[in-house]
Amino acid sequence: GQQLNQSPQSMFIQEGEDVSMNCTSSSIFNTWLWYKQDPGEGPVLLIALYKAGELTSNGRLTAQFGITRKDSFLNISASIPSDVGIYFCAGPSPNDYKLSFGAGTTVTVRA
Amino acid sequence: NAGVTQTPKFQVLKTGQSMTLQCAQDMNHNSMYWYRQDPGMGLRLIYYSASEGTTDKGEVPNGYNVSRLNKREFSLRLESAAPSQTSVYFCASSEWAFTGELFFGEGSRLTVL
Repeated sequence: GQQLNQSPQSMFIQEGEDVSMNCTSSSIFNTWLWYKQDPGEGPVLLIALYKAGELTSNGRLTAQFGITRKDSFLNISASIPSDVGIYFCAGPSPNDYKLSFGAGTTVTVRA
Repeated sequence: NAGVTQTPKFQVLKTGQSMTLQCAQDMNHNSMYWYRQDPGMGLRLIYYSASEGTTDKGEVPNGYNVSRLNKREFSLRLESAAPSQTSVYFCASSEWAFTGELFFGEGSRLTVL
């Protein structure tokens, strides 16, 4: 079953804000992946992390592989309207290496 | 520059009807997958094919069958659709099984009445 817990479930952003979300697991993961899904599209890989403590950036996005190997964080700096969508964390299950996804964090622009 | 192509994009079925979702990739990837997406549940793996000629169950395989027709194509069949199978279905591919980046299609929205 699903082993990845994402928080928050949803968030509202205002243009220019910095936002953060995280993903936790009860098991150790060796890889953390962050995907984004735009409305009506399939998910697209944003950042891949392979080493505990690793900090990786992709433009305004920064993700970190937690030192305990049981969590990961994604930060978006200076958000813009096109940042809306669903952000998923994912990782290979420690039991069978199949890729599991969290339930997602839905980002919406605050009116 | 097609990537992963799924058909159909939308489908409405009555309970008990059957249908097949088609998926094709043009990236010469070895591995292909079918996921379903439901609100608040994320993406759940239905079946996957690590390489041509092999298929394996994922997390939620009941009510589905798959066929890896060749290296490019991986189809998902619902033999007797049920309302619980109302969902958005995504096909994905990767160079090797569960390593590296998964490339997703645009999704197929299925409603079972």
